Amino acid sequence: DQQVKQNSPSLSVQEGRISILNCDYTNSMFDYFLWYKKYPAEGPTFLISISSIKDKNEDGRFTVFLNKSAKHLSLHIVPSQPGDSAVYFCAASARETSGSRLTFGEGTQLTVNP
Amino acid sequence: DAMVIQNPRYQVTQFGKPVTLSCSQTLNHNVMYWYQQKSSQAPKLLFHYYDKDFNNEADTPDNFQSRRPNTSFCFLDIRSPGLGDAAMYLCATSREFLRAETQYFGPGTRLLVL
Repeated sequence: DQQVKQNSPSLSVQEGRISILNCDYTNSMFDYFLWYKKYPAEGPTFLISISSIKDKNEDGRFTVFLNKSAKHLSLHIVPSQPGDSAVYFCAASARETSGSRLTFGEGTQLTVNP
Repeated sequence: DAMVIQNPRYQVTQFGKPVTLSCSQTLNHNVMYWYQQKSSQAPKLLFHYYDKDFNNEADTPDNFQSRRPNTSFCFLDIRSPGLGDAAMYLCATSREFLRAETQYFGPGTRLLVL
C-alpha cells in the first residue's frame, strides 16, 4: 500500500522555465512533508519541508505547496537550472504517531535541458 | 564537515553468505536509520535506533539485524542474503525522533548478491 505516490517517474524542462513536481498521499495522519534531492552515487539531501499548518513554504528558487483537502503537494523550481537535474523524492511523516519515521514516494527524475 | 559515511560503497556477496554494511556519523545525532531502496522504488525504512533503543519496522524480515555499539556507528547485518536483497542500503541520522526532524543521508551501499 503506497501511502505516498509520485505519479510521474520523469520530467524534462527547459533551462529557465518552471519545474513542477507533484506528490499525492493517502494517510490523513501525515502532518509534515519534505522534499529530498538525489544525485547519482550520492545519498538524498534535504531540500525543503512544510508543516500541515501551512499551505506554502518558500526557500529561494524552491517553493512547496500543500493542499490538504486534496492530499497533494507540489514542488516548484523557478527558474530551473541544469544543476537541478536529479531525482526528487517526496516524503511524509505523521509526527503524533510516528515521530520522524518517513514514508517516501518513488521519486521523479528531473532533467533540465540547457 | 559533519557527515554520514557508509562503507563500503559497493558490496558483492554470495547467496546465503552473511554480510555486514557499516555506517558512521560525525553529527552526534541520537537517531540512526537504515533504509532499503530497490531500483525505481521508494526508500523503505527497515529499522532505527534512538540512542541504544532498537526499533524494528513490522514488515522488516528477520534476516535483517542491526547493531549500534556507540553513538557514531551503526551496522546492518544480513544473515543469509537472498537474490531479492540486492538493493541500495541507505543510512540516515537525525537529532531526535519524537519531533519530526530532517534526516541526513549517507551515500549508500549498493549490495549485489550472486
